Amino acid sequence: DTAVSQTPKYLVTQMGNDKSIKCEQNLGHDTMYWYKQDSKKFLKIMFSYNNKELIINETVPNRFSPKSPDKAHLNLHINSLELGDSAVYFCASRYGQDEAFFGQGTRLTVV
Amino acid sequence: DQQVKQNSPSLSVQEGRISILNCDYTNSMFDYFLWYKKYPAEGPTFLISISSIKDKNEDGRFTVFLNKSAKHLSLHIVPSQPGDSAVFFCAAIPSGTASKLTFGTGTRLQVTL
Repeated sequence: DTAVSQTPKYLVTQMGNDKSIKCEQNLGHDTMYWYKQDSKKFLKIMFSYNNKELIINETVPNRFSPKSPDKAHLNLHINSLELGDSAVYFCASRYGQDEAFFGQGTRLTVV
Repeated sequence: DQQVKQNSPSLSVQEGRISILNCDYTNSMFDYFLWYKKYPAEGPTFLISISSIKDKNEDGRFTVFLNKSAKHLSLHIVPSQPGDSAVFFCAAIPSGTASKLTFGTGTRLQVTL
């Protein structure tokens, strides 16, 4: 019974394509995040939503657009994929000031 | 601008011995700190946390120490076990903000037999 689940786990696509990564949490948390782990293994926050509202938007190309249809879902859509977008993307959720729970990650490879 | 740093990218410790992982931060607004463990092909999993009003928090084999004046925290694992081999990330959250977790650069711990 996965708490934070992301799909797909692996995604290989060509440059210029548009792709989406989906995230769902069944923990009843009110805040959800997208993090990117780059080739240097740094975990950097991209976006955060609280109760479907965008509250954190780091310096991310506007080709990346998060969408939160409800509190339990936060999807990430990426337009015109570039080689540099290749990374592992993690979704996470959190309630209040508690610890964040992470999904298993989506390894995106742009070729 | 890396506000949370883990200066040791890797650490090797013998089974049964103590592992000490260090983390330094620069933002004095951070008031809540967490440690996460990450295995390959998995997401980070929460390990232990500490509030800035404390200087120590213990949970089983794991103890986190916080030195606010030095802007330094450390994670002690005693005794270390082979299953502890993973990448450990520290993370920090500033007070009065919308809950942004800032992660350190990670330390790969290898516990040898």
